[in-house]
Amino acid sequence: GAGVSQSPSNKVTEKGKDVELRCDPISGHTALYWYRQRLGQGLEFLIYFQGNSAPDKSGLPSDRFSAERTGESVSTLTIQRTQQEDSAVYLCASSLEAGNQPQHFGDGTRLSIL
Amino acid sequence: DAKTTQPPSMDCAEGRAANLPCNHSTISGNEYVYWYRQIHSQGPQYIIHGLKNNETNEMASLIITEDRKSSTLILPHATLRDTAVYYCIVRVAGLNDYKLSFGAGTTVTVRA
Repeated sequence: GAGVSQSPSNKVTEKGKDVELRCDPISGHTALYWYRQRLGQGLEFLIYFQGNSAPDKSGLPSDRFSAERTGESVSTLTIQRTQQEDSAVYLCASSLEAGNQPQHFGDGTRLSIL
Repeated sequence: DAKTTQPPSMDCAEGRAANLPCNHSTISGNEYVYWYRQIHSQGPQYIIHGLKNNETNEMASLIITEDRKSSTLILPHATLRDTAVYYCIVRVAGLNDYKLSFGAGTTVTVRA
């Protein structure tokens, strides 16, 4: 079946611009996660959505970062006034629910800030 | 504060079984062992997980020792496409343990 889909796959933008990244989770998955992965580094948790519960935004690095999710479907991660340190791969994952359910990842959006 | 220890790298021959070890000597009774891998320029891929029984799926087998202090991921017939970084992690089976974090993992190179 279809996996997690992210778009765009690559994004190059100038410092100071806003960017919007999209994630389509696996159908039926109620939990959705955003992570960031800098070059050669591990995963950095950003935000978690579970059904209609309030999202866990504890990993968002600054107020320039925000994310939304419509019901149990598409999610968008928005970065305002981008900085060079925002350059990274932004990964989205989904799972049937949190807890003991494996997270399935998309291939990410590679964001480069000039 | 690493909960798992893996060798940094290993080579294996195409067509042969690849056995990837992982030590997790401080694992708690309610923690599962999960394996993921990350192929270059792709997102992490879930492979398999288990609590105490051995598990097998279409990708791999997971062998967990009786004391649960170590495990081995077995790729039965390695192919060149299995070249990746493999991560062994432990996770509590609870609704609040959803922030995945990988260590350095094992870089596996499959050679023809």
